[in-house]
This record gives sequence, C-alpha cells and structure tokens, in this order.
Amino acid sequence: QSVLTQPPSASGTPGQRVTISCSGSSSNIGSNYVYWYQQLPGTAPKLLIYRNNQRPSGVPDRFSGSKSGTSASLAISGLRSEDEADYYCAAWDDSLSGKVFGTGTKVTVL
Amino acid sequence: QVQLVQSGAEVKKPGASVKVSCKASGYTFTSYGISWVRQAPGQGLEWMGWISAYNGNTNYAQKLQGRVTMTTDTSTSTAYMELRSLRSDDTAVYYCAREGVIVGALYYYYGMDVWGQGTTVTVSS
Repeated sequence: QSVLTQPPSASGTPGQRVTISCSGSSSNIGSNYVYWYQQLPGTAPKLLIYRNNQRPSGVPDRFSGSKSGTSASLAISGLRSEDEADYYCAAWDDSLSGKVFGTGTKVTVL
Repeated sequence: QVQLVQSGAEVKKPGASVKVSCKASGYTFTSYGISWVRQAPGQGLEWMGWISAYNGNTNYAQKLQGRVTMTTDTSTSTAYMELRSLRSDDTAVYYCAREGVIVGALYYYYGMDVWGQGTTVTVSS
C-alpha cells in the first residue's frame, strides 16, 4: 500500500504546463527529501528529480520539482509527446524505516 | 558506461525461492549501495530494500522481513536478491538500482540514478 498519494492521471496538449502533486505526511515528505521518477511504457524507471528540486545531468529543465510541508509537486513545462509516461514520487518514511513510492500518475499528451 | 545488467526471467511454483542477480559495470561497485524495487503487473513501484556494496549492511521493507535476503559479491561486482516462500502476489518485474554513494564513513543519497533492465518473476502452479 502506497503512503504517498498522487492523482491517477494528468493530461495536456503539446506546449502546455502540467503539474503532478504528491501528498504525504510528516514522517515522509514532511521530514525527508522527495524524488521523482519517469517510467516510459515497458521500460525501467528513470530518475527525474532528486532532493526535492535537483535535476540529474541530462534531464531537461522543462522538468522541475518543489516541496512545501507534507506535499510535493512535479511540473512539466512545454509538454512534449515523449513525456507521455507514468510518474512516481518517492521519499524515505521515518515511521516505516523504509522508502515509499507514490501511487503513480499517468501523463497523457493530447 | 555505467550499467546494471540483471539475470533472465524466472518461473517458479508457490513456496519456492528465486534469486535474481544484478551485475554492475562502469563504476566502483563498493562505493555505492543497491536498492531493489518491484512492480506487479499493472501496478506501481514497491521498494523492497537496500544493501551497501561497501560492507553488506542491509535495510529491508517491513513487509518482506524474513522472506528476503540481499547480498553482494564484490569480486564480481554483482548484487543478489533472494525471495523465499513465493506466493502468486510476488509475480512482478524486479529491478535493481544504484542508490547512495559512500564518502568517508557516511552514505549520501541522490536518488536511484542507474537502473537494471528488470527481471520478470512469475509465480504460478
């Protein structure tokens, strides 16, 4: 069971901005870093954002992360067809002493 | 290039065990940790645990405690994940991912930045 809640779906037209939310609690997002992963169909996940808002080398600056209190967000600006994928947030949970993933959000480019 | 290559697909009967391997190349294996993540068909990601390739320290998900064992072989730069007493709901794609770099005596975490290609484990009678 996921303890981080995401909307099941989000969509936009090419060029639009899409935002995905990730809601947690004081034991996970509220006190630890948030990470975001992109999973294209049939492939392994890929790290998009680490430590709330840092982008690994090679990740376009169209992707940005933020965190406030017990929630976090991933924003995709200038939406492109290749952004169509599942997106997951993740964080360490102090109560569970383990990492937890969000429920996942499927992004569709209309 | 930095990569993790996993072993091939497995089909197991309920009650059996499976051991998945994850061979690292292109970086200093003992400088990082390895996480294991699984994904049941049509479902989300589930963290299974983490192992230090430096000293073998482990941290397992509470849900899997007692059924999972993670190990490493530094001579071959390979990590292993063994899951015992398999059930049908263990059917999933299992991924290894590099996570955590050791500096001095401490680990620093920058996300799961390199992933294996995944290993499909099917549990069926």
